[in-house]
Amino acid sequence: DAGVIQSPRHEVTEMGQEVTLRCKPISGHDYLFWYRQTMMRGLELLIYFNNNVPIDDSGMPEDRFSAKMPNASFSTLKIQPSEPRDSAVYFCASSRPGQAYTEAFFGQGTRLTVV
Amino acid sequence: QKEVEQNSGPLSVPEGAIASLNCTYSDRVSQSFFWYRQYSGKSPELIMSIYSNGDKEDGRFTAQLNKASQYVSLLIRDSQPSDSATYLCAVPLPGTDKLIFGTGTRLQVFP
Repeated sequence: DAGVIQSPRHEVTEMGQEVTLRCKPISGHDYLFWYRQTMMRGLELLIYFNNNVPIDDSGMPEDRFSAKMPNASFSTLKIQPSEPRDSAVYFCASSRPGQAYTEAFFGQGTRLTVV
Repeated sequence: QKEVEQNSGPLSVPEGAIASLNCTYSDRVSQSFFWYRQYSGKSPELIMSIYSNGDKEDGRFTAQLNKASQYVSLLIRDSQPSDSATYLCAVPLPGTDKLIFGTGTRLQVFP
């Protein structure tokens, strides 16, 4: 398996624009997590899904952020409108059934810069 | 108090020495603890997990857990320059599947 795949790897956008980050989890993994990493706040959990259903989105900073998982092999994190303070590295991670966190595998991340 | 706390470092050790990384957590009922390593510009990768009080060894790595003191540590023996990275402590929020990370300790191993 190729591991968790995220796209794009880098994204530079202007303030106010919509940004969509994409993630393909490892096949057979039914947990999917979206994290954001900054120097100031470290690695923060934004939202996670189990079997394509959002379980906890309490980490989503505000209504400008939304996430979907239309099927077991694809998830998106959307920011609309984007702001400079959204600049961070966004990671997607997945894990196997019954091991929500023990075997969490991370994608390579998307480095987002909002100017 | 933050749920998972680590000293940000950097922790500098000479090659061949033992590096000791520490982590404290706030919730007494936490049962599982994880150490992730993150190289600069890369994603976190799991290197150790520990569930019981005491020590768990895996190669040059030893995780130590003291639930009474709410303290978990990672020892790296015979440190190598390739061990230079940020080490993240992670603890699941009890009753949930949410994995909470500390801000990480940056380790520098110099030749």
